[in-house]
Amino acid sequence: ILNVEQSPQSLHVQEGDSTNFTCSFPSSNFYALHWYRWETAKSPEALFVMTLNGDEKKKGRISATLNTKEGYSYLYIKGSQPEDSATYLCVGNNNDMRFGAGTRLTVKP
Amino acid sequence: DSGVTQTPKHLITATGQRVTLRCSPRSGDLSVYWYQQSLDQGLQFLIQYYNGEERAKGNILERFSAQQFPDLHSELNLSSLELGDSALYFCASSVGDGRSGQPQHFGDGTRLSIL
Repeated sequence: ILNVEQSPQSLHVQEGDSTNFTCSFPSSNFYALHWYRWETAKSPEALFVMTLNGDEKKKGRISATLNTKEGYSYLYIKGSQPEDSATYLCVGNNNDMRFGAGTRLTVKP
Repeated sequence: DSGVTQTPKHLITATGQRVTLRCSPRSGDLSVYWYQQSLDQGLQFLIQYYNGEERAKGNILERFSAQQFPDLHSELNLSSLELGDSALYFCASSVGDGRSGQPQHFGDGTRLSIL
């Protein structure tokens, strides 16, 4: 994999649902994997940065895991709320910053 | 407020012109990154500076150049502007050199419109 790929491209869930997104990234020359939350008309906001295989990080209802050997990361949101609606960006740092296209999450009340 | 300041917020100019975008990183951050978001496209990495030196290069055109000054602020120079250069240009900063797992903090961006 040369680029960072995210799936799904968009996701619509009901308030209270739990959801997860996938990010695939190049495993060679890997330094770090970033997750950002990007709301419309705002700038990206850092959620997590992970560097080690097996890393798991959590912030409130949001958590992320990292597998550097196979080149993937998962982002989980438990009990989605309307304010979670945003685009979630995955960024691989392989000595340059490679952005995925993002997963656009819409949480309906 | 991320602590990263970008000026100007908006810039309107004509084809063939040259502009300079400015970024002041968060206090204590040594790295500055520049990104371009064109219409209907995602973020594209342009270039990174760490403590005054170029650290990594992405899809930056030869018409574009950047530098980081001793006070750590950075400028992105865009010359011979074309209509396709119209975009939102973000600057971000981080404490480390990007390899140590430090998050980046984004400014609000400069919206460049080429007429």
